[in-house]
Amino acid sequence: DAKTTQPTSMDCAEGRAANLPCNHSTISGNEYVYWYRQIHSQGPQYIIHGLKNNETNEMASLIITEDRKSSTLILPHATLRDTAVYYCIVTQGAQKLVFGQGTRLTINP
Amino acid sequence: EAGVAQSPRYKIIEKRQSVAFWCNPISGHATLYWYQQILGQGPKLLIQFQNNGVVDDSQLPKDRFSAERLKGVDSTLKIQPAKLEDSAVYLCASSLGGWAKQPQHFGDGTRLSIL
Repeated sequence: DAKTTQPTSMDCAEGRAANLPCNHSTISGNEYVYWYRQIHSQGPQYIIHGLKNNETNEMASLIITEDRKSSTLILPHATLRDTAVYYCIVTQGAQKLVFGQGTRLTINP
Repeated sequence: EAGVAQSPRYKIIEKRQSVAFWCNPISGHATLYWYQQILGQGPKLLIQFQNNGVVDDSQLPKDRFSAERLKGVDSTLKIQPAKLEDSAVYLCASSLGGWAKQPQHFGDGTRLSIL
């Protein structure tokens, strides 16, 4: 079973920041937080991951709370191409990814 | 760098027939995964290889599904005989190593329809 909780759907205006929340209250000390997204008819795309520090790359920023029980994925300037299902996953060890239902993000013009 | 390659892109067969999918991972990636994604659901891991050895096949229906990764590079996933419930997208992913700090990279999958 997935160990994360995400909203079913979210909307965001094009050009604005999209903030996607994820709760992982049972996360253990050696588990990483991963974010993937899946655009229609494509495979999941890796976005970013972190252990306890905030992370930033060319696609997004990942903010992890100090107690590590929740995180937020930030897409700083959303475009229509960011419309997708976003998955938040916690994983450790042999890196088995357990996907939940994810958040369906719609970017509106 | 080239991504994970999968073929065919689409496959339609009748129930009780057999089918095979092929995956070529990213060059140098030791770990390879096969996932099944049923419409409306997230992907579910079927099997994980580390080089040419199986790490986890606990979710693989072994009475009908088989997978191999000869020489630790390409992999094939086979279903024989297929059932209606096997209609899904079959995704292949690879990573440098099978540990949590190395991300998995996915191919675009094979969409299987069972008539």
